[in-house]
Amino acid sequence: AQTVTQSQPEMSVQEAETVTLSCTYDTSESDYYLFWYKQPPSRQMILVIRQEAYKQQNATENRFSVNFQKAAKSFSLKISDSQLGDAAMYFCAYRSASGSGNTGKLIFGQGTTLQVKP
Amino acid sequence: DSGVTQTPKHLITATGQRVTLRCSPRSGDLSVYWYQQSLDQGLQFLIQYYNGEERAKGNILERFSAQQFPDLHSELNLSSLELGDSALYFCASSVAATTYGYTFGSGTRLTVV
Repeated sequence: AQTVTQSQPEMSVQEAETVTLSCTYDTSESDYYLFWYKQPPSRQMILVIRQEAYKQQNATENRFSVNFQKAAKSFSLKISDSQLGDAAMYFCAYRSASGSGNTGKLIFGQGTTLQVKP
Repeated sequence: DSGVTQTPKHLITATGQRVTLRCSPRSGDLSVYWYQQSLDQGLQFLIQYYNGEERAKGNILERFSAQQFPDLHSELNLSSLELGDSALYFCASSVAATTYGYTFGSGTRLTVV
């Protein structure tokens, strides 16, 4: 079974600085997707960025980028020029893309709470 | 507004009771997913429906059941409620059963007292 681990329960960053959130996962599959979701105090789950495992190029969405290391099974999120609105809990998630596991089900990590200091 | 509507937003009920959570997917989406978010278990996948049929099942308790109706809305039924069932229940929807990404609703906060 696949697992996702976020080893940093809490992180803090100064406004305008850069922060990196860590995520590792365990799988025997070669085809899958990885996601970062943001959950602000409103509790809404918001998709931040996604990565297909077969793509070597790291995904980027404005100030958000990932460092995808497939061999190391690592998927970190970098937030540049941090803003107060980035304060939230961030979840890393895995989705199988092959065989009977390809249902759309997401497996989430435990989350990292990000504090942004003015 | 994500387009996925969940009702009610908040629900307080007593142990042993039964409740129904409702989800209306985004227009055009055929697949519905239910997740439970609790403090100690994090976000857990419960069940998925696609166009009225069950597609995948997670660690859903036998006391819980779900269905998707012909109009594609879905209901999650929780019975014989226990204190530990207190959680935030999310619904999400997508166009296809295995779409790359999907959209979450704002959740139903269930408190069992």
